[in-house]
Amino acid sequence: SQQGEEDPQALSIQEGENATMNCSYKTSINNLQWYRQNSGRGLVHLILIRSNEREKHSGRLRVTLDTSKKSSSLLITASRAADTASYFCAEGKFYFGSGTKLNVKP
Amino acid sequence: ETGVTQSPTHLIKTRGQQVTLRCSSQSGHNTVSWYQQALGQGPQFIFQYYREEENGRGNFPPRFSGLQFPNYSSELNVNALELDDSALYLCASSPRQEGGLFFGPGTRLTVL
Repeated sequence: SQQGEEDPQALSIQEGENATMNCSYKTSINNLQWYRQNSGRGLVHLILIRSNEREKHSGRLRVTLDTSKKSSSLLITASRAADTASYFCAEGKFYFGSGTKLNVKP
Repeated sequence: ETGVTQSPTHLIKTRGQQVTLRCSSQSGHNTVSWYQQALGQGPQFIFQYYREEENGRGNFPPRFSGLQFPNYSSELNVNALELDDSALYLCASSPRQEGGLFFGPGTRLTVL
């Protein structure tokens, strides 16, 4: 069964706006990862944050982790139409959430 | 350096049949994992292989089995197919047990 849960399930924004997705998980983790999936294709690894880290940046991506609340957030700044995809958090390598479907309108 | 490849891309089977899906890991990766993704859902972990040994298994029945070969390529075998086995099957490799996963494009299995 899936462990993580993303919120919201779907998000629609205009190009240039920021998109924030949240993830809650259930177990103790060594790390949490975020992935992107375009149109039912293979997933692409975006960023990994370790349990002893609170925030991590990669380009337009910012990930936070709160282990006391068992939650993480992914912020995409200055979104582009090409960011339209489903985004998943994963506890380690094994447990993926149900995903947030992001639609960025040009 | 080639990425993760999977074959076939699409497959149609009937209930009760058996299927074998194949995956070639990215060069240098010794860990491979398999996932089942139903439409609109996140990937569900099936199992992981590390250096040819099963190294973790999700909540899937024994009719889901796998192999990893010395060149780190892998197979997923599903026996006695059921309609609910219709899904996208994803293979992912990684260079070590901790770290990000590199996914293949998936095999779309339809069971009629």
